[in-house]
Amino acid sequence: AQSVTQLDSQVPVFEEAPVELRCNYSSSVSVYLFWYVQYPNQGLQLLLKYLSGSTLVESINGFEAEFNKSQTSFHLRKPSVHISDTAEYFCAVLGAGSYQLTFGKGTKLSVIP
Amino acid sequence: NAGVTQTPKFRILKIGQSMTLQCTQDMNHNYMYWYRQDPGMGLKLIYYSVGAGITDKGEVPNGYNVSRSTTEDFPLRLELAAPSQTSVYFCASEGLAGGGETQYFGPGTRLLVL
Repeated sequence: AQSVTQLDSQVPVFEEAPVELRCNYSSSVSVYLFWYVQYPNQGLQLLLKYLSGSTLVESINGFEAEFNKSQTSFHLRKPSVHISDTAEYFCAVLGAGSYQLTFGKGTKLSVIP
Repeated sequence: NAGVTQTPKFRILKIGQSMTLQCTQDMNHNYMYWYRQDPGMGLKLIYYSVGAGITDKGEVPNGYNVSRSTTEDFPLRLELAAPSQTSVYFCASEGLAGGGETQYFGPGTRLLVL
């Protein structure tokens, strides 16, 4: 079984400041890792994912996350946030050979003008 | 492509009533999922399907039933609605290979049971 911990339920940050949303996981098997974003009153959308290869993965809108196997982490970062980044962000893990994504409880990012 | 569509968008039920939440995808995806989202709790998997005629329980299946007679449709049935089923329900689909591919989510159904 897998589990995901998102340490911060809410993160306020000023516009153009950097942000890090933390995600730690536990699993007894190898994993795939995902970050999904949910804008108000919408479904979730994939932001980025790590399956294999380079441990640093990037999204098209400037976010990046680094898979750290030794620390079992997959933190999400952006060097300069915009108002439009205000949303809830979910980290998720998929164990190898499984079909079931396990989601964290989410982190609400609020960007302050 | 419309992607993943869900109906209805909103519904209020009385305790003990039944209803079916509809989910349709037009991407020819084999894998489909039903989640519920409660405030501060993330998403919990209710049921999933790896293809037409094949379904399996997720983390929180009690009080729900599903069927998958076609590739496109994956309805979720609530037989005896309870206040604990007040939630936002999301359907998702995933490509042919499953496992590690992108899940595409519908817009959700907001259900209130009184």
